[in-house]
Amino acid sequence: DLVLTQSPDSLAVSLGERATINCKSSLSLFYNSNNKSFLAWYQQKPRQPLKLLIYWASIRESGVPDRFSGSGSGTDFTLTISSLQAEDVAVYFCQQYYSAPSITFGQGTRLEIK
Amino acid sequence: QVQLVQSGAEVKKPGASVRVSCKTSGYTFNNYGIIWVRQAPGQGLEWLGWISAYNGNRDYAQSLQGRLTMTTDTSTSTAYMDLRSLRSDDTAIYYCARGIKRLGDLSSALNDFWGQGTLVTVSS
Repeated sequence: DLVLTQSPDSLAVSLGERATINCKSSLSLFYNSNNKSFLAWYQQKPRQPLKLLIYWASIRESGVPDRFSGSGSGTDFTLTISSLQAEDVAVYFCQQYYSAPSITFGQGTRLEIK
Repeated sequence: QVQLVQSGAEVKKPGASVRVSCKTSGYTFNNYGIIWVRQAPGQGLEWLGWISAYNGNRDYAQSLQGRLTMTTDTSTSTAYMDLRSLRSDDTAIYYCARGIKRLGDLSSALNDFWGQGTLVTVSS
């Protein structure tokens, strides 16, 4: 089974500071046929559905603030929030769609204000 | 704009069945599939299964085989998830999302639009 492991489980960052969340896959998510990694990042706020932030590991979804960025390839990926805003308090999940339709998520990282 | 609107919250007794619907709009329904995911209270996200609105192919999580059925109604662009023999550990928020059209179709693999979620509570 393809397992995603996020780190850390929780994170407290001061407003305006950088937040970094990592996601490690047990198998490479890179597909040679299209030169892309099948990795997405989602944000979840209380009582709200998942919001897509990043796909193909580094492409920002339309409407997502540019302080959010994704990087990485293969098995190691990072979500970075360059300057934390109060509205960014949420749980963040990475997700692999390499094995779609069967997809898996990381366990989630809870981001709070320090 | 693309929308997936799910049916309302359900409260069921153990052993009962539940049906959750996911009505879609804003895109060509049979150009994609639908996946279902659930999130138990305070827990992570668990993939339940997938159905192709293109050819009806299905794939279910092994842990739910025999209790889970997914269907689509192309006339109303709606997907359904039926879960039988409910147990207390089926209590969760159930989400639908747009997904892969057919196996190997990389262009539609991303789950870019999600429903708002349906709380299913199983309690005696």
